[in-house]
Amino acid sequence: SGGLTQPPSVSVSPGQTATITCSGDRLGDLPVSWYQHKPGQSPEVVIFEDYRRPSGIPQRFSGSSSGNTATLTISGTQAMDEGDYYCQTWDNMAMFGGGTKLTVL
Amino acid sequence: QVHLEQSGTEVKTPGSSVTVSCRASGGNFKRDGISWIRLAPGHGLEWLGNLVPRSGVGKYAREFQGRVSITADTATDTVYMELKSLTSEDTGVFYCAREAGLGESQFDFWGQGTLVIVSS
Repeated sequence: SGGLTQPPSVSVSPGQTATITCSGDRLGDLPVSWYQHKPGQSPEVVIFEDYRRPSGIPQRFSGSSSGNTATLTISGTQAMDEGDYYCQTWDNMAMFGGGTKLTVL
Repeated sequence: QVHLEQSGTEVKTPGSSVTVSCRASGGNFKRDGISWIRLAPGHGLEWLGNLVPRSGVGKYAREFQGRVSITADTATDTVYMELKSLTSEDTGVFYCAREAGLGESQFDFWGQGTLVIVSS
């Protein structure tokens, strides 16, 4: 199977909805996690098992998965949400998507 | 609360090796899977491999197989990652991260990262 494919960049206006996709073979059979990474910080999981949100992560973050595509949605995007977002799954080995740079204009 | 404390910045020359440590506290060190993940310029996050200290069982990514070795010292709750035959392409920030639950799941706790610079 190949890797995980994400769009390199997504731009959104404050208050609008940001959508980041992640596609890959067999993704429909594998749980997907999403990580937010800001400069100078360690990555942080914002969604796991496709749609579950860790405690402390704002409700505006949601996840879904259909077919071979997983989607991270940020509703009412805020300036603080700017950063790089990575999808990740396990298929015998851990694999990450190439990352999507989210810009809040 | 799990805390992962990593060793400090390393500057290495091409062809040499680097060892980065990750000391765990607050969790179940022997049971928890610990992965090593790299953030390199232009490469995003890359998984190098993992280890479950209790069993000593681990896996390595195909891209790093033969160059990376992950070991654990259960007396000090520390996991080590050694990367050999360094090139400038290995420059980046290396993170250790805990695998939640029974392992091979989301990475719920991360170390602060260790910058490795490979330069002649």
